[in-house]
Amino acid sequence: DGGITQSPKYLFRKEGQNVTLSCEQNLNHDAMYWYRQDPGQGLRLIYYSQIVNDFQKGDIAEGYSVSREKKESFPLTVTSAQKNPTAFYLCASRERGADEQFFGPGTRLTVL
Amino acid sequence: SQQGEEDPQALSIQEGENATMNCSYKTSINNLQWYRQNSGRGLVHLILIRSNEREKHSGRLRVTLDTSKKSSSLLITASRAADTASYFCATDAMDSSYKLIFGSGTRLLVRP
Repeated sequence: DGGITQSPKYLFRKEGQNVTLSCEQNLNHDAMYWYRQDPGQGLRLIYYSQIVNDFQKGDIAEGYSVSREKKESFPLTVTSAQKNPTAFYLCASRERGADEQFFGPGTRLTVL
Repeated sequence: SQQGEEDPQALSIQEGENATMNCSYKTSINNLQWYRQNSGRGLVHLILIRSNEREKHSGRLRVTLDTSKKSSSLLITASRAADTASYFCATDAMDSSYKLIFGSGTRLLVRP
């Protein structure tokens, strides 16, 4: 089965803690993206990577960090500097030369 | 930043009726895409229309694009209860990043 997996599905974090969200794809896509979705809202871009070992900030990168050490993996760390981290986080990937993005099932992060 | 704005924010129709959702955007685009999101899930790509196209069909979906008005519409014909979901338009950033800018979405409820 080809696709994008995100884990965990639900994540609870205490204030002041860093937490890492996993995103893995076996589609052999070059580009990967992280989005944040708040209730009743659209998606906002946090970070994206078009190639291994390279990534760029999106519109709301403050308080987040990423790495892209392998083509298939693009983990997102939500740091304690993110003031309001409770949200639904979506990872996506895109094949080189294509326009559409393929999305994972998402991780719902709740800060207690 | 959110470029696309959908209208209406919410739509409730009876099964068998048609559903029309509109999207407006602000800047020039190469293409516009529509995605569907079931509650609490990832997004699924539905259809893409390029800036030099005016209308496109895919099954029960019909998309139109008016670049002079910077607007698009998604028509779902003969709706089914399973069409209940949120629908988002997304425009490309018109740079080499292939970033997508999402609208705020239309929540569609199809009553059986």
